[in-house]
Amino acid sequence: GDSVTQMEGPVTLSEEAFLTINCTYTATGYPSLFWYVQYPGEGLQLLLKATKADDKGSNKGFEATYRKETTSFHLEKGSVQVSDSAVYFCALIGDSGYALNFGKGTSLLVTP
Amino acid sequence: NAGVTQTPKFRVLKTGQSMTLLCAQDMNHEYMYWYRQDPGMGLRLIHYSVGEGTTAKGEVPDGYNVSRLKKQNFLLGLESAAPSQTSVYFCASSLSSGYTFGSGTRLTVV
Repeated sequence: GDSVTQMEGPVTLSEEAFLTINCTYTATGYPSLFWYVQYPGEGLQLLLKATKADDKGSNKGFEATYRKETTSFHLEKGSVQVSDSAVYFCALIGDSGYALNFGKGTSLLVTP
Repeated sequence: NAGVTQTPKFRVLKTGQSMTLLCAQDMNHEYMYWYRQDPGMGLRLIHYSVGEGTTAKGEVPDGYNVSRLKKQNFLLGLESAAPSQTSVYFCASSLSSGYTFGSGTRLTVV
């Protein structure tokens, strides 16, 4: 079945550092790919998405490119802020059509 | 504001007790879902519904039941709570791939 694997955390970075969180997936066909963010004590918010190969999703300085050849959707940000501290989830919707399948999440802590 | 509302936000149950978690959405979404979130496990799908009167099992359905009698409501029931059901429960609704999540219910079973 479909699955998502993302790097384990926690990831600790200094403010203004470059961020990469790796995400790879296993799925048949052409899944849609997502990054969700969960701030402390809150629910999940969509950060960005891509629905076909080579698409780049972007939002709030975060970017991720749908790479079909490497089945990857790595999250990047050029300069992180303390306010980016959160848990980040990579997810996909496969050919089944609607249910989100999540990775285990990566906790990010940004220190001043 | 439009969105997904979950009640209650917190609950403590004794082993063997029953309870129902309520999820309500006002966006006229067809699809609704119940997930549980556990440390180091991400979110796992418990049950879902593709429309009023329909339900289906997700990845971890055992010990839970659901009902979707009205399009806007999706109920999650625990008939006999167990400590393994201690978790944070999230409801979501969707139209196509656009998901909206509720703020969660933190359930502790002692």
